[in-house]
Amino acid sequence: AQSVSQHNHHVILSEAASLELGCNYSYGGTVNLFWYVQYPGQHLQLLLKYFSGDPLVKGIKGFEAEFIKSKFSFNLRKPSVQWSDTAEYFCAVPPGRRALTFGSGTRLQVQP
Amino acid sequence: ETGVTQSPTHLIKTRGQQVTLRCSSQSGHNTVSWYQQALGQGPQFIFQYYREEENGRGNFPPRFSGLQFPNYSSELNVNALELDDSALYLCASSLDFVGYEQYFGPGTRLTVT
Repeated sequence: AQSVSQHNHHVILSEAASLELGCNYSYGGTVNLFWYVQYPGQHLQLLLKYFSGDPLVKGIKGFEAEFIKSKFSFNLRKPSVQWSDTAEYFCAVPPGRRALTFGSGTRLQVQP
Repeated sequence: ETGVTQSPTHLIKTRGQQVTLRCSSQSGHNTVSWYQQALGQGPQFIFQYYREEENGRGNFPPRFSGLQFPNYSSELNVNALELDDSALYLCASSLDFVGYEQYFGPGTRLTVT
């Protein structure tokens, strides 16, 4: 079954720094990948998704992710973070075309 | 458009008790999935309901059960509560079970003492 792993558990950055959060997935046929974000006290919301086509996916709030099949990776990037990006970020896959399997999450703390 | 709502917001139960959590799906969505999010972890899939039938289940024991109603709202029931059941319970709705775009509610924080 497909699964994802996130190796950065807690990342601390200063405002304007660049961000890259790692996500690796296990092989399992057709690959669909997601990044979700959970801002403090708010709902989980979709940042971006990859289904097929262009491996560079752009999402909301200036985030992007690149699907690299040879590395089984789908890393999340942002060129310049803001204090408001402080949140927990989850990578996810949908095994069995039903619900989602989430990674353990990366807590991002942006210092002003 | 009304988003996904959940009730109650939080509650405290004693080990061995039973609890029912409720979820109203987003307007037009016929699929509801439930997740358990322990502190510091990613959400774990409990089960999914599609048009009132269970449509998939994660690695949770039978004491976790659910229902979906004709208006597509849903309940999660947990019997014989254990301390490890303390978590945030998330409900997500989507349009058809192949709709990967799941819209999450705010969650119910359950504390078992």
